[in-house]
Amino acid sequence: GNSVTQMEGPVTLSEEAFLTINCTYTATGYPSLFWYVQYPGEGLQLLLKATKADDKGSNKGFEATYRKETTSFHLEKGSVQVSDSAVYFCALRVVGNEKLTFGTGTRLTIIP
Amino acid sequence: GAGVSQSPSNKVTEKGKDVELRCDPISGHTALYWYRQSLGQGLEFLIYFQGNSAPDKSGLPSDRFSAERTGGSVSTLTIQRTQQEDSAVYLCASSPIKVVAGYYNEQFFGPGTRLTVL
Repeated sequence: GNSVTQMEGPVTLSEEAFLTINCTYTATGYPSLFWYVQYPGEGLQLLLKATKADDKGSNKGFEATYRKETTSFHLEKGSVQVSDSAVYFCALRVVGNEKLTFGTGTRLTIIP
Repeated sequence: GAGVSQSPSNKVTEKGKDVELRCDPISGHTALYWYRQSLGQGLEFLIYFQGNSAPDKSGLPSDRFSAERTGGSVSTLTIQRTQQEDSAVYLCASSPIKVVAGYYNEQFFGPGTRLTVL
C-alpha cells in the first residue's frame, strides 16, 4: 500500500534558523508528492508539489526535491520566520487515484 | 470566489447519537473528498466522489459511516451511533478534474468540522 512517514514534532526553532522536515514514502505505482500547510485557525493549503523524480517544488522560500532513489521529499527553508509557524503535512498521490495519502503532520513553532 | 465551506464548525454529541456533517464545495468542482484528522492518526482519506461515478468508499472505517452527494454539489457525511473514537476534525475538499497527462487536480480544503463525542 501507500504510506508517508514524516519526522515527529513538535519542532521549535528560532527566527532565521534553517529548517528541515524529513519525509519518506512508500508507494505502489509512481507517486506525485506534496507538502500541505495548515496555519493556525485556517484550512489546509497546498504549499508545493513535485510530480516526477528530481523535480524541485518551491513556494514562499520553501523547497523540496523528489528523490526517487531514497524515496524522500524533505522540506527545507533557509531562514524561517515567525509567520511560518504551522502544521506541515507531507502527502502523496498515485497516478490514476485522486485521493491523497498524508503523513501525520509536523507542528513547527518559530520563536522571535 | 467562495472556497469550500463546512458546517457546523463544531459539533458536540453524546455517544450513540447520529450526526450529519455538511460540505459545500467550490462551484464547478466535480470531485469531492472527505478526510478525517485525528490525534495519533494524522489525516486519513474517507471517501471520494467524482461526477456521476460510484464513490470510492475505501477509506470509511466502519458501516456506521456513510456519505451522499446530492446533485453533484453538496455532500453530507453521516455517522451513526457515534463512538468516542469518532472524535476528530472532519475535512472536506473539492477539485476540478481535468483528464490531462501531467496535470495535477489540486484539492482545496474547507476549514473542517470538529466533532467531539462525549
